[in-house]
Amino acid sequence: SQTIHQWPATLVQPVGSPLSLECTVEGTSNPNLYWYRQAAGRGLQLLFYSVGIGQISSEVPQNLSASRPQDRQFILSSKKLLLSDSGFYLCAWSVRGRRGTYEQYFGPGTRLTVT
Amino acid sequence: QKEVEQNSGPLSVPEGAIASLNCTYSDRGSQSFFWYRQYSGKSPELIMSIYSNGDKEDGRFTAQLNKASQYVSLLIRDSQPSDSATYLCAVARGNDYKLSFGAGTTVTVRA
Repeated sequence: SQTIHQWPATLVQPVGSPLSLECTVEGTSNPNLYWYRQAAGRGLQLLFYSVGIGQISSEVPQNLSASRPQDRQFILSSKKLLLSDSGFYLCAWSVRGRRGTYEQYFGPGTRLTVT
Repeated sequence: QKEVEQNSGPLSVPEGAIASLNCTYSDRGSQSFFWYRQYSGKSPELIMSIYSNGDKEDGRFTAQLNKASQYVSLLIRDSQPSDSATYLCAVARGNDYKLSFGAGTTVTVRA
């Protein structure tokens, strides 16, 4: 069965500091990978998605970046955090199903507080 | 107009009652529809997928899809306090691997 890991679970960082969040998926090959952010009391905002190694699509221009160095590894980074970067960061994966559709499954998330 | 809209909520129902959640979408090309449950402080969990018009039942959950009217709903029968959560509606166009999410409806089941 497939498993998705994210770490760290919680993080408190000062404004202007760098960020690196990691996500790995087990039990599947060549998954689509996604980074979402959920601000307090808000909906899910898609930040980046990737359909393969080194292939990153950005949905929202901001001070965040993403990389996919390996098939099942997705990394979210920032050089300098802003207060507005606080939120719940979620990694998700999907693969093409029988119907040709893609069901997304989420990791446990990282709660980031920028102080 | 938002791509996916849900009841603003919160929705409060007594234990044992039916909770009814509605979702409308704007893209007529949408073909895949999903319901996620998100407990407070946790990540979303996929609970239902529906692709064809009509009803799909899974335990106490029933998803209903009407593509002509562009809405999808989720019924929770015999609601339990453990059903208290935020429910997210998500929609995908054709075989697109990106989902559009609604803002969610928070359900509280009163014991």
